[in-house]
Amino acid sequence: NAGVTQTPKFRVLKTGQSMTLLCAQDMNHEYMYWYRQDPGMGLRLIHYSVGEGTTAKGEVPDGYNVSRLKKQNFLLGLESAAPSQTSVYFCASSYRSDSLNTEAFFGQGTRLTVV
Amino acid sequence: DAKTTQPPSMDCAEGRAANLPCNHSTISGNEYVYWYRQIHSQGPQYIIHGLKNNETNEMASLIITEDRKSSTLILPHATLRDTAVYYCIVRPRPSDYGGSQGNLIFGKGTKLSVKP
Repeated sequence: NAGVTQTPKFRVLKTGQSMTLLCAQDMNHEYMYWYRQDPGMGLRLIHYSVGEGTTAKGEVPDGYNVSRLKKQNFLLGLESAAPSQTSVYFCASSYRSDSLNTEAFFGQGTRLTVV
Repeated sequence: DAKTTQPPSMDCAEGRAANLPCNHSTISGNEYVYWYRQIHSQGPQYIIHGLKNNETNEMASLIITEDRKSSTLILPHATLRDTAVYYCIVRPRPSDYGGSQGNLIFGKGTKLSVKP
């Protein structure tokens, strides 16, 4: 059972380049989230999804887009990378129902550097 | 903004109990208290959550005051591997939300250092 898997684990981009971060979960979770974490800071929510085909903005959505075409996958896109987007990105997923454990499971992170 | 207040750092001797406090004075009746921890640069790890009763699992105990305005996470026998940043988060139960209210809002947490 893999849990939450993030791809890639590391990436270096040049300013203006684009890329997509992939998050995959095998726990049949309804909710999925993308966070970023900057040095010495807590996690900040970028975008989230409450189900297949739905997405919503979080606390810091500017410069990012997301898609959830399949329940198990949540993609985070950077159309034109900027140095301010240098960060560690974490994906998470959780159940919605009260009848199941509702804790969020996190991936191991993607370390992105924009030069 | 995070709805909780935690001390920025704490030390604990190995083998002793670590008691991590959290204030959540504006907590609503339908909000749970969740604890997560983040070891070094790994993804956060769920520890425990509770509504108003004390809770215990294989990792920790959670003590919530009767007025629910504060709580304490207890690691009964701290080890060096428990050195991490511990986050206290309040969150509505999933059936009470359909949108962003259910998201985990992280503050800066408490950096716990377990020393030999």
